[in-house]
Amino acid sequence: NAGVTQTPKFQVLKTGQSMTLQCAQDMNHNSMYWYRQDPGMGLRLIYYSASEGTTDKGEVPNGYNVSRLNKREFSLRLESAAPSQTSVYFCASSATGLTGELFFGEGSRLTVL
Amino acid sequence: AQSVTQLGSHVSVSEGALVLLRCNYSSSVPPYLFWYVQYPNQGLQLLLKYTSAATLVKGINGFEAEFKKSETSFHLTKPSAHMSDAAEYFCAVNSGGYQKVTFGTGTKLQVIP
Repeated sequence: NAGVTQTPKFQVLKTGQSMTLQCAQDMNHNSMYWYRQDPGMGLRLIYYSASEGTTDKGEVPNGYNVSRLNKREFSLRLESAAPSQTSVYFCASSATGLTGELFFGEGSRLTVL
Repeated sequence: AQSVTQLGSHVSVSEGALVLLRCNYSSSVPPYLFWYVQYPNQGLQLLLKYTSAATLVKGINGFEAEFKKSETSFHLTKPSAHMSDAAEYFCAVNSGGYQKVTFGTGTKLQVIP
């Protein structure tokens, strides 16, 4: 029962470097999301994809790009990392609908020096 | 616009005591409400959700929450705390369509033996 799988789990970058966080789900969900979690701020939505082929900005999209590669995969790219992007990143997926449960990956801890 | 306020970033209870975690929401339309739990170094998982069927919602691990429209509240309770309940709990609301969930800032529950 894989659910939502994120890679890598840990990453250290230097300011200005780029990287891509990968996410894949095996539950045939239409919607996928990227959140960041910072102490005292809860989870904030970066980008989401309501369905394959569409992506939209969330609350904190600046400095990030996303790609919905297919129904299973949704990647998050940092083109030029900044220390303010040090955070724990979570990918999540859900079936379509307001009442659907979000299923989360285990998180990717990113440190930008 | 929708928002969630969780009162108390840290709550400590003795093992066997009542657990009460507070959540108030703001929404311009009837909301769907959720409680998620996060154990250390893990992603979030759903405890329970309110979807307008019944105002008292029962979840996993003995937790329940009551939707009170007049108070715009959705507090989480458990009659008797167990050591394994130590975790961070997030209240969340969705009234905006496309499954855009807004999370509260979280409450860390400490259970004292």
